[in-house]
Amino acid sequence: AQSVTQPDIHITVSEGASLELRCNYSYGATPYLFWYVQSPGQGLQLLLKYFSGDTLVQGIKGFEAEFKRSQSSFNLRKPSVHWSDAAEYFCAVVIFTGTASKLTFGTGTRLQVTL
Amino acid sequence: GAGVSQSPSNKVTEKGKDVELRCDPISGHTALYWYRQRLGQGLEFLIYFQGNSAPDKSGLPSDRFSAERTGESVSTLTIQRTQQEDSAVYLCASSFPSTGGWGYTFGSGTRLTVV
Repeated sequence: AQSVTQPDIHITVSEGASLELRCNYSYGATPYLFWYVQSPGQGLQLLLKYFSGDTLVQGIKGFEAEFKRSQSSFNLRKPSVHWSDAAEYFCAVVIFTGTASKLTFGTGTRLQVTL
Repeated sequence: GAGVSQSPSNKVTEKGKDVELRCDPISGHTALYWYRQRLGQGLEFLIYFQGNSAPDKSGLPSDRFSAERTGESVSTLTIQRTQQEDSAVYLCASSFPSTGGWGYTFGSGTRLTVV
């Protein structure tokens, strides 16, 4: 079945350190991929998305993600993490079924930032 | 409107009562989605509307859950005879469907507490 997997439930990094959050997808066709962030008590905010073209995608807040078809991955990265980046991060893929499309989420990775 | 609006933002109800949750999508977005997020969990897909029809209801957890959409605009999610396990944040999103989601914009959600 088409799905998206986030292997890491919880990650802790020090402020200023680099960050990589993993996302793997299972989908037969070229996927539409997204990363969302959810801060405590807040709604979902889109960080970046990939549809086609350049496999390295730049997003907001200094985040980027790289689409690697050979590895079925779309990992999120940031060179230097700030304390305000502490949040829950969700990877998602659009799945097409006939005329319908459905945004399917991974289970999320909770990022903790230590000072 | 400028964003997806959901009401109420918070709802506390007694077990066994019915509740209605409302979603106002972005004007012109013909696709509308409902998701449920239990405490500490990821997002569960509930139902998808294309216009006023619902081609995918696969995520509705039981027949106590129903949703409708009128005028290709407002949608209402109804939960009958609420149970404690229905406590969650219910999120609504809207998008342009034919392009697989140039942008799925989420509302801030309705936090439902069943006591």
